[in-house]
Amino acid sequence: KAGVTQTPRYLIKTRGQQVTLSCSPISGHRSVSWYQQTPGQGLQFLFEYFSETQRNKGNFPGRFSGRQFSNSRSEMNVSTLELGDSALYLCASSSGLADSPLHFGNGTRLTVT
Amino acid sequence: DQQVKQNSPSLSVQEGRISILNCDYTNSMFDYFLWYKKYPAEGPTFLISISSIKDKNEDGRFTVFLNKSAKHLSLHIVPSQPGDSAVYFCAASAGDDKIIFGKGTRLHILP
Repeated sequence: KAGVTQTPRYLIKTRGQQVTLSCSPISGHRSVSWYQQTPGQGLQFLFEYFSETQRNKGNFPGRFSGRQFSNSRSEMNVSTLELGDSALYLCASSSGLADSPLHFGNGTRLTVT
Repeated sequence: DQQVKQNSPSLSVQEGRISILNCDYTNSMFDYFLWYKKYPAEGPTFLISISSIKDKNEDGRFTVFLNKSAKHLSLHIVPSQPGDSAVYFCAASAGDDKIIFGKGTRLHILP
């Protein structure tokens, strides 16, 4: 079974630009969650999509948005990039049921200059 | 407000000995707890989980203990091996709500 795939692996953008990250979940998984990892801050929850609907949301500004398609693939968009958005963005999929673990991709490393 | 806390940023353990990683939580609604392991340049890998109806779960060298009254869980790795050197994240959730992670503990296994 193929794992969670995130593209691209690395991205360099300049302040003010926007960026779109992509995530393909494990086949059969209906839930996709996005996390931001920065040094010393652990994994900060951005949002979760389940069956094309945003089910949970973290405390990030509206510049961070996402969506999920009918095949469960998900995209995350960040507009008006700031230097502080430089981070590793991780996508994880699960069945979406309670007590089911997340399975992570290898992340997209975003650098904002 | 941090709901899942890993108070030790790093831990060093001799190869072959027991590694004990600790985690505290504040939300009494949490009913599912997980541990993840992360190597550099890779995503976190699921290790083991425990439901709040249990106080212990074992999988090979990994055992997770849950003390609900103290809102504390721990991960025991016995025996510790060089490949266990990584960052370990504790995580928790309530029902189908989001899974919240701690900041991680870096484990160094010494030869």
